[in-house]
Amino acid sequence: EDQVTQSPEALRLQEGESSSLNCSYTVSGLRGLFWYRQDPGKGPEFLFTLYSAGEEKEKERLKATLTKKESFLHITAPKPEDSATYLCAVHPGGYQKVTFGTGTKLQVIP
Amino acid sequence: NAGVTQTPKFRVLKTGQSMTLLCAQDMNHEYMYWYRQDPGMGLRLIHYSVGEGTTAKGEVPDGYNVSRLKKQNFLLGLESAAPSQTSVYFCASSGTTPAPFFGPGTRLTVL
Repeated sequence: EDQVTQSPEALRLQEGESSSLNCSYTVSGLRGLFWYRQDPGKGPEFLFTLYSAGEEKEKERLKATLTKKESFLHITAPKPEDSATYLCAVHPGGYQKVTFGTGTKLQVIP
Repeated sequence: NAGVTQTPKFRVLKTGQSMTLLCAQDMNHEYMYWYRQDPGMGLRLIHYSVGEGTTAKGEVPDGYNVSRLKKQNFLLGLESAAPSQTSVYFCASSGTTPAPFFGPGTRLTVL
């Protein structure tokens, strides 16, 4: 059974204080790992897809990396508007069923 | 280009009542999904469809039915609502790239 574990559950940072979110996974044949951002009361917003170990993707202050067992979402010099819940998900292929983690709730304090 | 839209945004039902949640996408995606999101449980797949006229069970299908009569629409039905079905429901779709794109959600309360 595919599993996705995200840590920490919650993270509080001062504005400008860089940190990383972790996503550990077990899946039979990874075809893609996704990161999403979810704001309160809204649907998840797609950020990145990573396909193979060693791959990196960047968008503004966010950088996602992938190894064979985990992915990291690095947040550099975060701003209050980066506050959100960040979700990780894995795609094992087949009928495109995707398994999600429970997310990391990030709060960035001015 | 509206992406994925859901109707209604909010709904309150009494136990035993029925309702249908509507999802539409304008991206010509083959795959569509219904998820529910509960605190501490993450997003769980209820049903999904790999194309027009097809449906399949996901992780938590009991108490729900779906239909995909048109490629752009995916309907989720609750025949006899129960308090355990109180949740936020998200519709999503995907095409050639596997990452699902989500709608804004429907917040359902069953009393």
